[in-house]
Amino acid sequence: GAVVSQHPSWVICKSGTSVKIECRSLDFQATTMFWYRQFPKQSLMLMATSNEGSKATYEQGVEKDKFLINHASLTLSTLTVTSAHPEDSSFYICSASGQGGNQPQHFGDGTRLSIL
Amino acid sequence: AQTVTQSQPEMSVQEAETVTLSCTYDTSESDYYLFWYKQPPSRQMILVIRQEAYKQQNATENRFSVNFQKAAKSFSLKISDSQLGDAAMYFCAYRRTRSNDMRFGAGTRLTVKP
Repeated sequence: GAVVSQHPSWVICKSGTSVKIECRSLDFQATTMFWYRQFPKQSLMLMATSNEGSKATYEQGVEKDKFLINHASLTLSTLTVTSAHPEDSSFYICSASGQGGNQPQHFGDGTRLSIL
Repeated sequence: AQTVTQSQPEMSVQEAETVTLSCTYDTSESDYYLFWYKQPPSRQMILVIRQEAYKQQNATENRFSVNFQKAAKSFSLKISDSQLGDAAMYFCAYRRTRSNDMRFGAGTRLTVKP
């Protein structure tokens, strides 16, 4: 089946630093990638959708300057949390989808981000 | 806007018994997809089952089946012969046919008692 690799799985860093999370589709071309945020015991909240070679589309309330998304190739998307603060601590999950309306989303294993 | 509602925050089932998780959704579209995802403590999202709205036949995957009622906008998940490994958060999700983005319900935490 389709595999999506997300890295790192856990990161702890100091307040004010920037953190980059990578999402890779290992065995298929991901024309669209999605970034979600999940708070403890809550559902997944879509942050943004990115199509390869285009600017990401952010959901309402998500700061695009805070959460930089790059989808430069059909197998890689990155999410950079800039100048991270404790309130940015959360679980971030990416997913990838191939071309076509019938394609399911395949999820990465998520990244636990802790800002001290 | 499409919304997905899971009215059961928590459910419990005895091992080997059957449990049904509820999901309703709101949409004005006629063509769309519905999904059930499982998220165990490892937090990996695992696709359990999916249903195309244009198909009248309910999807089935081994012990997992759905009851899709399009007119009522209801999409419940039935787990038969529950196993300890079924314990997880279960999320119902909706996706329009012409769109890739998915909307999730709040989730139902399923506990399986031995």
